[in-house]
Amino acid sequence: GQNIDQPTEMTATEGAIVQINCTYQTSGFNGLFWYQQHAGEAPTFLSYNVLDGLEEKGRFSSFLSRSKGYSYLLLKELQMKDSASYLCAVLDSNYQLIWGAGTKLIIKP
Amino acid sequence: SAVISQKPSRDICQRGTSLTIQCQVDSQVTMMFWYRQQPGQSLTLIATANQGSEATYESGFVIDKFPISRPNLTFSTLTVSNMSPEDSSIYLCSASGSDTGELFFGEGSRLTVL
Repeated sequence: GQNIDQPTEMTATEGAIVQINCTYQTSGFNGLFWYQQHAGEAPTFLSYNVLDGLEEKGRFSSFLSRSKGYSYLLLKELQMKDSASYLCAVLDSNYQLIWGAGTKLIIKP
Repeated sequence: SAVISQKPSRDICQRGTSLTIQCQVDSQVTMMFWYRQQPGQSLTLIATANQGSEATYESGFVIDKFPISRPNLTFSTLTVSNMSPEDSSIYLCSASGSDTGELFFGEGSRLTVL
């Protein structure tokens, strides 16, 4: 079966750095997405990785290792507004998106 | 990018009734999808809305319960039929127009069935 694993919840301090991990087992791979979802709102796109390595976009970076079936989202200089759920999703060989259950990130002052 | 408008944003419905959710995209997109999201859980794909033809449903979802229309490239509807309290959820319209498969989401329709 297809599976995406990510921690259910994480807590971090304002101004710090946090890394949210995602491991996957899917039938084929055509890219991995990270989405941010604030409570009561729709998910919004953060990043897309299809090649191994680190993609940096401002305070957010996303890393992919296809051989390990592993990705992480790195958030730097955390702000209170970063409190949200972070969803990992993999595009499989049929170009279907397989979604993780999301990681709820709680930022404390 | 694409801006997606959904309505209603929320509704409270009686058991046994049906509700249609509308989704409008501000640009032509190739793919449109309907998702369901239970509180605190991830997204579950209901179906892919196909322009001018029947939607493609995922396992566990059927056309009689969730009829979908997509008359053109920018508009789709999802009907939740004969509702029961188990149908209480957030229903999200999404669209993709890029080769990477990046999805854009509407703000969701929060349905509560009494």
